[in-house]
Amino acid sequence: DTAVSQTPKYLVTQMGNDKSIKCEQNLGHDTMYWYKQDSKKFLKIMFSYNNKELIINETVPNRFSPKSPDKAHLNLHINSLELGDSAVYFCASSQEHRAFNSPLHFGNGTRLTVT
Amino acid sequence: GENVEQHPSTLSVQEGDSAVIKCTYSDSASNYFPWYKQELGKRPQLIIDIRSNVGEKKDQRIAVTLNKTAKHFSLHITETQPEDSAVYFCAASTDSNYQLIWGAGTKLIIKP
Repeated sequence: DTAVSQTPKYLVTQMGNDKSIKCEQNLGHDTMYWYKQDSKKFLKIMFSYNNKELIINETVPNRFSPKSPDKAHLNLHINSLELGDSAVYFCASSQEHRAFNSPLHFGNGTRLTVT
Repeated sequence: GENVEQHPSTLSVQEGDSAVIKCTYSDSASNYFPWYKQELGKRPQLIIDIRSNVGEKKDQRIAVTLNKTAKHFSLHITETQPEDSAVYFCAASTDSNYQLIWGAGTKLIIKP
């Protein structure tokens, strides 16, 4: 009974394509995130939504567009994929948006490979 | 803004020995310091955290210490076991910050 589930697990695609990654959490949390983990393992936050509202929008190319249809779902759409987009993308959720009060629960990650 | 530095980037210890990973932060208003463990091919998971009103916290073989004056905090793992092999991330945040500021990670290797 996975708490934060994201699909697909693996995504191999060619440069220039458009792809989406879906994320759902069944923890009843208010806040969801997208993180990018590159080959050096560094975790970089991309976006955060609290109750469907965007609260963190880090400096990422505007080819990346998050969408939160409800507070249990946060999807990531990527246009015109580039080689440098290859990474593992993690979805996460927390009870609320202040890190102080609520640990992050990560999904299992989506390994994106752009060829 | 806040900056978190983590050292070392790789740590290799003999099974049964202790391991220490250290992080320093720049924002004196930071008051929450979690540690996440990421096993190979898996997701990061919270293993322990500490708040600034506490100097040390223990959970079985792991402990975290905080020195607010020096602005650093450390993860201590005693009696290391093969399953402790992973990448460990430290992070910091403040009451008003919406996000965690992450360290770059430490790859811990336990040698048999």
